[in-house]
Amino acid sequence: DQQVKQNSPSLSVQEGRISILNCDYTNSMFDYFLWYKKYPAEGPTFLISISSIKDKNEDGRFTVFLNKSAKHLSLHIVPSQPGDSAVYFCAASARGQNFVFGPGTRLSVLP
Amino acid sequence: KAGVTQTPRYLIKTRGQQVTLSCSPISGHRSVSWYQQTPGQGLQFLFEYFSETQRNKGNFPGRFSGRQFSNSRSEMNVSTLELGDSALYLCASSWGQMNTEAFFGQGTRLTVV
Repeated sequence: DQQVKQNSPSLSVQEGRISILNCDYTNSMFDYFLWYKKYPAEGPTFLISISSIKDKNEDGRFTVFLNKSAKHLSLHIVPSQPGDSAVYFCAASARGQNFVFGPGTRLSVLP
Repeated sequence: KAGVTQTPRYLIKTRGQQVTLSCSPISGHRSVSWYQQTPGQGLQFLFEYFSETQRNKGNFPGRFSGRQFSNSRSEMNVSTLELGDSALYLCASSWGQMNTEAFFGQGTRLTVV
C-alpha cells in the first residue's frame, strides 16, 4: 500500500515550457513534503520543500504547490531546461517519522 | 564541507553471503537513514539511526540490520543474501530534527549472483 504515489512514471516536455510533476499521498498525518532530483549513478539531491502550513513555496524556477484537502502536491519547473532531465521523487513525512518516498517520475526535457 | 560518503560504490556478492555497507554522514549530522532503491519501487525506507539508537524501522526482514557509531558513522548489514536484494542502497544524513531535508550519498550498488 503506497502512501506516496507518483502516477506518471515518465514525462516529456519541450525546452522552455513548463514541467508539472504530480504527487498524491494517503496519510493525512503527513505534514512536511520534499522533492528530490536524481541523476543516474548519483544520490538524490534536495530540490525544494513545503510545510503543511503553506500551500506554495517558490525557489527560482521551481515552485511546489500543496493542496491538503486533495492530498496532492505538484512541482512546477518553469522554464524547463535540458539539465532538468532526471528522475524526480516526492517525499513526505509525519512528525518525527521517516520520509516516505514515491516511486519517482522520469522527466525528459527535449531541446 | 564534505558530503555523505558511502563505501563501497559497487559490490558483487553470491547468494547466501553477507555484506556490510558503510556510510559517513555530513559532519555534525546526527541522523543517518538507509534506503533501498529498486527499479519501479522508488526509495524504500530501511531504518534510521539517531545518536547511536535506531529511531525508525521500515518493513524489511530481520536479515537487514544496522548500527550507528558514536561519530555518527553508520553501517548496514545484510545476511543470507538473496537475488532480490540486488539494489542501490542509499544513505542519507540530516541534523535529525523534524522537518529538515536529508542529504544523500551516491549509494552502493549491490549485485547478488
